[in-house]
Amino acid sequence: DTAVSQTPKYLVTQMGNDKSIKCEQNLGHDTMYWYKQDSKKFLKIMFSYNNKELIINETVPNRFSPKSPDKAHLNLHINSLELGDSAVYFCASSQDGSRNQPQHFGDGTRLSIL
Amino acid sequence: AQSVAQPEDQVNVAEGNPLTVKCTYSVSGNPYLFWYVQYPNRGLQFLLKYITGDNLVKGSYGFEAEFNKSQTSFHLKKPSALVSDSALYFCAVRDNTNAGKSTFGDGTTLTVKP
Repeated sequence: DTAVSQTPKYLVTQMGNDKSIKCEQNLGHDTMYWYKQDSKKFLKIMFSYNNKELIINETVPNRFSPKSPDKAHLNLHINSLELGDSAVYFCASSQDGSRNQPQHFGDGTRLSIL
Repeated sequence: AQSVAQPEDQVNVAEGNPLTVKCTYSVSGNPYLFWYVQYPNRGLQFLLKYITGDNLVKGSYGFEAEFNKSQTSFHLKKPSALVSDSALYFCAVRDNTNAGKSTFGDGTTLTVKP
């Protein structure tokens, strides 16, 4: 029973296409995140939602749009994909009543743009 | 603004020897500090955290970390390294006065040789 699950695991597509990545957590957490890990393994936060409300929105192009239909799901839609979008995207969740709880990560979606 | 520095890209140790992975941080309030480990093709896994109290924190897989407020450091340690400890390690800081954003270090690759 996977705690944070992302689909798909691999995504290979062409420049200019639109794609979505889905994330679900079954931990009952109230906060979910999207991170981007580049080829050098640097990890950068993109978005954070708390109870379906956007609370963190880093400097991310408007082509990236997160959507949270409920607090167990946080999806990421990307329009007009570019070569620089190639990376591993991680979803995470935490129980954030006091901000001292760790984050639980999914195993990532490996996005490759041709 | 909060920040985390992991000064070593790579740490090499022999199996059975003690290991240290270094982390220093900068925050405006009291820090919440975390260590995570990432194995190949997997998401980050939580190892341990410092919130308050005892400066020596014990975590998963025999790891521990020492919080040093005067040096603003939170180094990860293990008395006897295993080959299976070889992985990418991330230090993260969270300011308890922030909206809840975690800042991750750039990661340190630990290689334990038999």
